[in-house]
Amino acid sequence: GQNIDQPTEMTATEGAIVQINCTYQTSGFNGLFWYQQHAGEAPTFLSYNVLDGLEEKGRFSSFLSRSKGYSYLLLKELQMKDSASYLCAVMDSNYQLIWGAGTKLIIKP
Amino acid sequence: GAVVSQHPSWVICKSGTSVKIECRSLDFQATTMFWYRQFPKQSLMLMATSNEGSKATYEQGVEKDKFLINHASLTLSTLTVTSAHPEDSSFYICSARPTLAGVTDTQYFGPGTRLTVL
Repeated sequence: GQNIDQPTEMTATEGAIVQINCTYQTSGFNGLFWYQQHAGEAPTFLSYNVLDGLEEKGRFSSFLSRSKGYSYLLLKELQMKDSASYLCAVMDSNYQLIWGAGTKLIIKP
Repeated sequence: GAVVSQHPSWVICKSGTSVKIECRSLDFQATTMFWYRQFPKQSLMLMATSNEGSKATYEQGVEKDKFLINHASLTLSTLTVTSAHPEDSSFYICSARPTLAGVTDTQYFGPGTRLTVL
């Protein structure tokens, strides 16, 4: 079956750096997405990786290793507003998104 | 750009009644829209894929007669929960893929509708 794994919850300190990991096993691969979702709100797009390597976008970076079925989202200079759930989603061979359960990130002052 | 709205944002209804949720792409056309539901602390679950002018494609286990989807225009899709029951209480989220976007481009999500069935 298809499976996306990410930690349920992480805690980090304001101003610090945090890495949220995602491993996947899917039927085919057409890219991996990261979304941010604040409580009670819809997800917002953060990044898309389809080739191996690191994509940097401001304070957020996303890494992909297709051979390892692994990705991470790196958040730098953490701010209180970064407290949210971070969803990893993989697009399979049918171009359907397979979603992880999300990682709840708690930022402490 | 790429704004998707949903209406209503929250609704409370009695068991047995029907509820319609609208999803609109405000500044782009969307041939394809998606309907998800999300239970607390759980992942998004795709319910159905809606294509303008044709019947929706439902995921396994989703009752098409209970969750009626209509995608009558390139900017509007509706989800009607018929004969709602308390177990249908959930957060319903729609997303839209711009018509000119590639299939691997991101979907744009609406703000969600919180449905509570008493």
